[in-house]
Amino acid sequence: NAGVTQTPKFQVLKTGQSMTLQCAQDMNHEYMSWYRQDPGMGLRLIHYSVGAGITDQGEVPNGYNVSRSTTEDFPLRLLSAAPSQTSVYFCASSYSRQDPGNTIYFGEGSWLTVV
Amino acid sequence: AQSVTQLDSQVPVFEEAPVELRCNYSSSVSVYLFWYVQYPNQGLQLLLKYLSGSTLVKGINGFEAEFNKSQTSFHLRKPSVHISDTAEYFCAVSHSYKLIFGSGTRLLVRP
Repeated sequence: NAGVTQTPKFQVLKTGQSMTLQCAQDMNHEYMSWYRQDPGMGLRLIHYSVGAGITDQGEVPNGYNVSRSTTEDFPLRLLSAAPSQTSVYFCASSYSRQDPGNTIYFGEGSWLTVV
Repeated sequence: AQSVTQLDSQVPVFEEAPVELRCNYSSSVSVYLFWYVQYPNQGLQLLLKYLSGSTLVKGINGFEAEFNKSQTSFHLRKPSVHISDTAEYFCAVSHSYKLIFGSGTRLLVRP
């Protein structure tokens, strides 16, 4: 049981390039989400999904795209990278959206630098 | 709208001293409150959570937090800290099945 796995851990991109951050969980969780972490701002929600085929926007969705074709995977795509997207990205999952008290599990993070 | 405020961006403390990390929230509905810890270059780990019932919640690593509805606070405490407690701590509130985080407090434990 690996939990929430994110790849890559580190990435440097040039402005305008596109890339995908991968996220997979092996806990059969319905709910998955992506956050970005910036100094002094805590974690902010980018996109989330309540099940396969269902996604929705969070607090800061611009410049990002997601899809959820399977329960296990929830990739985050940067369409045209900008320096403002330099950040640490965290994928998270939980068993169900029905119970707010469900523990949310986080991946170890992906450090992205856009130059 | 719900929000979380962590007033202290950094809290330095000597080893074996007590510590309190402050968290205040704003919400017009019932809340679920959480504290997460992030060790350097790692993801977030749940320390403790308040869902209902007793206002004093005990978590892992000797931490506890008290929910105070009248003061809309959920402060985190530990009676005696260790060097290994050096980390960033995030308070969060659950809203519509999403977590809203505070800006974090960096706890620096000095020998």
